[in-house]
Amino acid sequence: EPEVTQTPSHQVTQMGQEVILRCVPISNHLYFYWYRQILGQKVEFLVSFYNNEISEKSEIFDDQFSVERPDGSNFTLKIRSTKLEDSAMYFCASGDGGSGTQYFGPGTRLTVL
Amino acid sequence: QKEVEQDPGPLSVPEGAIVSLNCTYSNSAFQYFMWYRQYSRKGPELLMYTYSSGNKEDGRFTAQVDKSSKYISLFIRDSQPSDSATYLCAMKVNRDDKIIFGKGTRLHILP
Repeated sequence: EPEVTQTPSHQVTQMGQEVILRCVPISNHLYFYWYRQILGQKVEFLVSFYNNEISEKSEIFDDQFSVERPDGSNFTLKIRSTKLEDSAMYFCASGDGGSGTQYFGPGTRLTVL
Repeated sequence: QKEVEQDPGPLSVPEGAIVSLNCTYSNSAFQYFMWYRQYSRKGPELLMYTYSSGNKEDGRFTAQVDKSSKYISLFIRDSQPSDSATYLCAMKVNRDDKIIFGKGTRLHILP
């Protein structure tokens, strides 16, 4: 069964450093998403991406964040200058858009020291 | 009032029991209703998906949506220890991309 994959599974970084989180969505999906989950809190929407552009973003997704689909298979989330409060699980999701369902990857645990 | 409310539990039930999980919501524009299962430190796994009101059954799982009461439920029949996880309700407005999640209910099935 096709699935969303994410790398790395755990990323540790120093405050102020840039990080790139990587995702390979399900191959025939056209809609891509990033969510995050701070420990003990809800899963929160960050951004959606379709047709090579952002289609929706939350208030959390400020100028420190960017997304890119650099080739036909990868989808990335970049955090330019990490802050302590960016420590969370980051989930990539993809969907075919028709039914509205979104399938999530296993997540990348980001720890900012 | 929070947009989606879900009792965090934990909920402990004996193996074989029927489990009832539920959420309430405030936004009448929600049209897509989902249940995800999340094991510890893993990604949410889509279990059930319903559009608008009604019931949907898939194996041991039944999802119900009552839009008039702004209330959704997930029933698990013949519960197994492997069902022990956190169950997240989730909702979406048709025109929006984002899914709004509940905080999740931790479920323990006791052997």
